Amino acid sequence: AQKITQTQPGMFVQEKEAVTLDCTYDTSDPSYGLFWYKQPSSGEMIFLIYQGSYDQQNATEGRYSLNFQKARKSANLVISASQLGDSAMYFCAMRGFGTASKLTFGTGTRLQVTL
Amino acid sequence: GAVVSQHPSWVICKSGTSVKIECRSLDFQATTMFWYRQFPKQSLMLMATSNEGSKATYEQGVEKDKFLINHASLTLSTLTVTSAHPEDSSFYICSARAPQNTGELFFGEGSRLTVL
Repeated sequence: AQKITQTQPGMFVQEKEAVTLDCTYDTSDPSYGLFWYKQPSSGEMIFLIYQGSYDQQNATEGRYSLNFQKARKSANLVISASQLGDSAMYFCAMRGFGTASKLTFGTGTRLQVTL
Repeated sequence: GAVVSQHPSWVICKSGTSVKIECRSLDFQATTMFWYRQFPKQSLMLMATSNEGSKATYEQGVEKDKFLINHASLTLSTLTVTSAHPEDSSFYICSARAPQNTGELFFGEGSRLTVL
């Protein structure tokens, strides 16, 4: 079984500061992928970043980076230089590459960027 | 990037009627599409996996006779909420798996259903 845990229901960050959104996971699959999605108030889900379990380097996409610590089973999202438009819900998700390859989501973290 | 279009974006219906929501992959073929339901302030819950040309696979607790899924082509999956009731009011989101090996999912914009 897969499980994603996001322990921060809400976070505040000042504009231009960096923020880390926590995500821990549990899976029995030896190979898996980790994803972060952003959900603005409009409701759509926007893909942000992907990390494969066997990737040697931490993934980066512009202002987003994923702090992947495999031994700790954590995949925290770091947003640098926060912008007001970053205010949204953020979901961590994972997909195993075994037979049960569905995408499992965490409960989300609501990020509010302030002036 | 790949685009997934969902229609309608919002719908209001009377209790007892059926509502169909469409999910289209606009610039790629998706053999697998997923349907999620999101309750207010909660995470997405996977309802079912839709496979082109075969029956959908439903998650435990999801009534397949109530939530009919049809994946008629490689670019279209539909979710029909039959005999809708107020408790079916929710935000429904579809996603399609990209053909690349990452298994990245592209999500539709979502459909907000309100049953009166």
